[in-house]
This record gives sequence, C-alpha cells and structure tokens, in this order.
Amino acid sequence: GAVVSQHPSRVICKSGTSVKIECRSLDFQATTMFWYRQFPKQSLMLMATSNEGSKATYEQGVEKDKFLINHASLTLSTLTVTSAHPEDSSFYICSARNRVNGYTFGSGTRLTVV
Amino acid sequence: KNEVEQSPQNLTAQEGEFITINCSYSVGISALHWLQQHPGGGIVSLFMLSSGKKKHGRLIATINIQEKHSSLHITASHPRDSAVYICAVNNNDMRFGAGTRLTVKP
Repeated sequence: GAVVSQHPSRVICKSGTSVKIECRSLDFQATTMFWYRQFPKQSLMLMATSNEGSKATYEQGVEKDKFLINHASLTLSTLTVTSAHPEDSSFYICSARNRVNGYTFGSGTRLTVV
Repeated sequence: KNEVEQSPQNLTAQEGEFITINCSYSVGISALHWLQQHPGGGIVSLFMLSSGKKKHGRLIATINIQEKHSSLHITASHPRDSAVYICAVNNNDMRFGAGTRLTVKP
C-alpha cells in the first residue's frame, strides 16, 4: 500500500515551453505533498509543500510564479514548470505523507530543457 | 555545516560484506528516514525511525537520539544493494543528507 504514481518519468521540452508533472496517491489520501529537485550528484532539495485546497508553501529561493503547484484533490498534486529554461533541467520528485511508514516517494521525473 | 551529514560519501564493498553507513544531524527532529535511490532516480523509503532499532530483511537501522546519530547496516551485501542511500530528518519538513553511493562488487 501507500503508492505514489508520478508522470511523466522523462520529458524533453523546448526552452520557453511549460511542462506539467503529476503525482497521484493511488491508495491513500495525501493531504500534504512535497516537491523536490535534485541536480546531478547533489542531494534532494525541498522546493515546496502543497496542501490540499490551499496555496503551496515555497522554500526560499524557489520562484512560485515559475513553479506552479496545484493540489486540488486529496490524491493529485501537479507541478508546472513554466517558461522552462535549460537551467531548469533537473530531476523532480514528489513525496506524500502516509500513515504506514511516513513518506512515500514518486518515481521521479527527469526534465531536460533544450 | 549541513544539518545532515552522512559518511562515507562513497563506499565500495565485496559481495557478502557487512556495510555501515552513518548519519549525524544537528537539528531537533521528530523522525529520521533512510531512503534508497536507484540509478534511475526512483526513491524507496527503507525506514522511518524515532528511537531504537528497526530491522527489515538484511537491513538494520539504529538511532541514538541523545547523540543525534543514526546508522544503516546491510548484512551479507549483494550487488543489487548498489544504490545511493540517503539519510533524511524531519520535523515540519525533510532535510536530506548528501547520500552515500554504495557499490557492491560480485
């Protein structure tokens, strides 16, 4: 139990376009989801915390207008990278709190902006 | 200084060896997590600890709250254990260590 499905797993997009990443909790309700970014050979960095039905809380240095987070239901949170640039190329991963072992992670999305 | 320090950064072992990865943290926490990240990037939560010791198969995790230290042990290591192991601590949000890259050679 406690599975988080993340899509897409890989995406390549042109500079200036927007990309949406979805995370769904399949068998539990996730009132809180977390979005992380990981650059090559670096640790995971928390970008924002999304709470169902309210605005996301962004970490310092993360542009909320560039990384749009929507958590409209208890099972779905989306991260949209707007006007993507090559420096946004990274590995994005979500996690959700669950009652089983604390946190469940999505499988991640590798974004490449060309 | 990072809030979460892991050691070693890289570890190479022969199949069958006993492995220990250490994690020290400097902040108050409600729980500590050990995560496993595979080469493709996917992350699996191995343990969540707030005290004592947990065991799952060949994996053992311990935590000493007073010393702010945790260890992850792998017994009878196998090449399929090769991955990056990440220590993370949480109170209101999660903070991650830099990870330990483990390579187990056959």
